[in-house]
Amino acid sequence: DAGITQSPRHKVTETGTPVTLRCHQTENHRYMYWYRQDPGHGLRLIHYSYGVKDTDKGEVSDGYSVSRSKTEDFLLTLESATSSQTSVYFCATSGQGGGEQYFGPGTRLTVT
Amino acid sequence: AQKITQTQPGMFVQEKEAVTLDCTYDTSDPSYGLFWYKQPSSGEMIFLIYQGSYDQQNATEGRYSLNFQKARKSANLVISASQLGDSAMYFCAMREAYNTDKLIFGTGTRLQVFP
Repeated sequence: DAGITQSPRHKVTETGTPVTLRCHQTENHRYMYWYRQDPGHGLRLIHYSYGVKDTDKGEVSDGYSVSRSKTEDFLLTLESATSSQTSVYFCATSGQGGGEQYFGPGTRLTVT
Repeated sequence: AQKITQTQPGMFVQEKEAVTLDCTYDTSDPSYGLFWYKQPSSGEMIFLIYQGSYDQQNATEGRYSLNFQKARKSANLVISASQLGDSAMYFCAMREAYNTDKLIFGTGTRLQVFP
């Protein structure tokens, strides 16, 4: 258990509003990831970070931005939420690139 | 092209029986890693087992084993002596060496264990 928490765990928001999801880890892992999970698609990588202030895009990064100012925190921001961003969002961490990833409990986001 | 394919959307198995969940992958990289994760109905993702492309033996972790057939590009998960608590979604994932920071996931297989 990598000691990963996500907040909020559930959120309902309206189209066009900004939303920030937070991932916090206590394991001092260098790598952090944001995924979304949708039926029929498995998990798809949104953005990831390989160190403080070092981030890169994943497979489905459009409409999302991230920031990592401290090792333990990785923020995912939806600048202007759309209904297509309704999903379950998972944060994950890894102590080494390419190693197993440990997941947070997920955030269920609904955009109405 | 799909990099990870899980062709079984759902599987049923009786308690105490063994079950195999299929996973095929596509990569031209000789160095890669394969992972299996379990997602119970409560939603969390649980790491189960890892197989490296250069590992000589199939990976095993308790009741989980990975049937790795490199030439066929398959990495099937075998669960022995199924338990009711094994009912969950199971995801196969791959990491390619040139892109070592990222995992690519399959769409998952829902396993249901019945008494």
